[in-house]
Amino acid sequence: DVKVTQSSRYLVKRTGEKVFLECVQDMDHENMFWYRQDPGLGLRLIYFSYDVKMKEKGDIPEGYSVSREKKERFSLILESASTNQTSMYLCASRPRGTKSPLHFGNGTRLTVT
Amino acid sequence: GESVGLHLPTLSVQEGDNSIINCAYSNSASDYFIWYKQESGKGPQFIIDIRSNMDKRQGQRVTVLLNKTVKHLSLQIAATQPGDSAVYFCAETLGYRSSNTGKLIFGQGTTLQVKP
Repeated sequence: DVKVTQSSRYLVKRTGEKVFLECVQDMDHENMFWYRQDPGLGLRLIYFSYDVKMKEKGDIPEGYSVSREKKERFSLILESASTNQTSMYLCASRPRGTKSPLHFGNGTRLTVT
Repeated sequence: GESVGLHLPTLSVQEGDNSIINCAYSNSASDYFIWYKQESGKGPQFIIDIRSNMDKRQGQRVTVLLNKTVKHLSLQIAATQPGDSAVYFCAETLGYRSSNTGKLIFGQGTTLQVKP
């Protein structure tokens, strides 16, 4: 089975802090994704990466950056956390190609105070 | 713009009954669709998928139906069990530039409640 592991289930950070969310997948997938999930808004794509060191903006990239130095690891960075970034963050991966499902981690619930 | 939506926010069924969760999509060029289940405190879990060259696909206790004429997708769960209680999302895949990543568009989700 594909395993996507997010390093933290819960995080509490202060406004202005730099926050790193880490994600690792064990299936050698080329594509990795970061989503946030909010009540009433569903899943929204922040950034995705289709190869090492490659990244593309999703629908809501403002306030975020990403890093993909190794194929199995995709990091989401909040440069200066704000309260409106309190959310559930979901990492996902899939192999190259459009006809395969995303495999999700269990999420990181981030609270910014 | 593209949108994927579920018809009902909450569906309540009796244990043992069949459940049908519906989804409408707007992009006629979408060619791959997925159903996910999300339990409380967990990430979305893949249930079943279907390509646009098919009308029906069956899994274990689940069936997905695709009607391209009216751009409608449904998930049928047979003999619904308490463990089926969750939020169910449909998603469609749009081709994305040349990177071949297949950006997914998700619906809002339907909460399935199973009454004992």
